[in-house]
Amino acid sequence: QSVLTQPPSVSGAPGQRVAISCTGSRSNIGAGYDIHWYQHHPGTAPKLLIYGNTHRPSGIPDRFSASKSGTSASLAITGLQAEDEADYYCQSFDSSLTSVVFGGGTKLTVL
Amino acid sequence: QEQLVQSGAEVKKPGASVKVSCKASGYTFTDYYIHWVRQAPGQGLQWIGWINTNSAAANYSQNFQGRVSMTRETSISTAFMELSSLTSDDTAVYYCARGRGGRAPGSVWGQGSRVTVSS
Repeated sequence: QSVLTQPPSVSGAPGQRVAISCTGSRSNIGAGYDIHWYQHHPGTAPKLLIYGNTHRPSGIPDRFSASKSGTSASLAITGLQAEDEADYYCQSFDSSLTSVVFGGGTKLTVL
Repeated sequence: QEQLVQSGAEVKKPGASVKVSCKASGYTFTDYYIHWVRQAPGQGLQWIGWINTNSAAANYSQNFQGRVSMTRETSISTAFMELSSLTSDDTAVYYCARGRGGRAPGSVWGQGSRVTVSS
């Protein structure tokens, strides 16, 4: 059971918008620790999509955006494309565990 | 080009140890931490720990305390992760990743090293 809770799966048609939630607690997201989001295609290395809650690394399209509020965070993907089909993970730091923590991951299916 | 290149696949028997390497290039090795993350078949990403490549201090997930050791050799810009007392549950792809500090792995990842534990 992950410290950060994500829905197991989401889906959307090409061109649509989807959102993936990440729910934590007062010892991680609620304590003010940054949230980062990764995209993971099976067989490849995870790719950093969002760092520091809302910032995109260079090369990440602005179709990807994120927000954070209280003990939760959310990743939004607009204009869905076939190549967006992947697993998505939120990640933060937990002060009770003094540990990096990942969400359980969300499988995005592009219909 | 900043990159991390990991060692190849390993097959180990239960009870054995495995040591995975992660060689950095294209940046100053000691400016960043190295995190280790794994993904078991059908599972999500699991953080194992990090090593401060400058001081050699390491911090491990409670899930691996007592079984994992992270070291580095600055002369060859390489970090190592050794996991002992392997069981089938340790079968996974192990990744190293470069982080600015100890709270996040960051944007540069190795290609992954597959470790299979089987009798």
